[in-house]
Amino acid sequence: AQTVTQSQPEMSVQEAETVTLSCTYDTSESDYYLFWYKQPPSRQMILVIRQEAYKQQNATENRFSVNFQKAAKSFSLKISDSQLGDAAMYFCAYRSTTSGTYKYIFGTGTRLKVLA
Amino acid sequence: GAVVSQHPSWVICKSGTSVKIECRSLDFQATTMFWYRQFPKQSLMLMATSNEGSKATYEQGVEKDKFLINHASLTLSTLTVTSAHPEDSSFYICSARVLTGAIGYGYTFGSGTRLTVV
Repeated sequence: AQTVTQSQPEMSVQEAETVTLSCTYDTSESDYYLFWYKQPPSRQMILVIRQEAYKQQNATENRFSVNFQKAAKSFSLKISDSQLGDAAMYFCAYRSTTSGTYKYIFGTGTRLKVLA
Repeated sequence: GAVVSQHPSWVICKSGTSVKIECRSLDFQATTMFWYRQFPKQSLMLMATSNEGSKATYEQGVEKDKFLINHASLTLSTLTVTSAHPEDSSFYICSARVLTGAIGYGYTFGSGTRLTVV
């Protein structure tokens, strides 16, 4: 069975600085998807970034980028130029590409605080 | 596009009563929907996967007779918490699988329902 681990329950970053959130996972599959979701106080889950395992190039979305290390099964999220609106819970998630398997496996989350 | 509307956003019910939570796909057909439960300061735990027109598939440890899921149409899935007890108080979130492009799928989440059983 696949597992997702986020070892940082809480992180803080100064506004305009850069922060990296860690995520490791375990799987025996060779192809899969990895995601970072943001959950602000409203509790709405918002997709931040997505990475296909078969792609070697790290995904980027504006100020958000990932460091995907497939061999190490590591998938960290870097937030550059942090803004107050980035404060939220961040969840790392895994999804299989196996046909018929559509569910997400979420990590336990990292609460990000942005200091003004 | 690809909006999922979840209703109600919060509900308080008495112990022993049942409560229904609705999840609607507004601008797409959702053949597959998922129901999650989130305890305070914890992660989302998948409860069940529902496919339109068939019985839901429940995760291990989830009581199917307590958490009734119905996915009778391509735009509506419901979760009914039967004979609710205080320990059922939680945040419930639905998610729908969305076809994006020719072969890709994305997933969109509802805004969640906070259930408090008193």
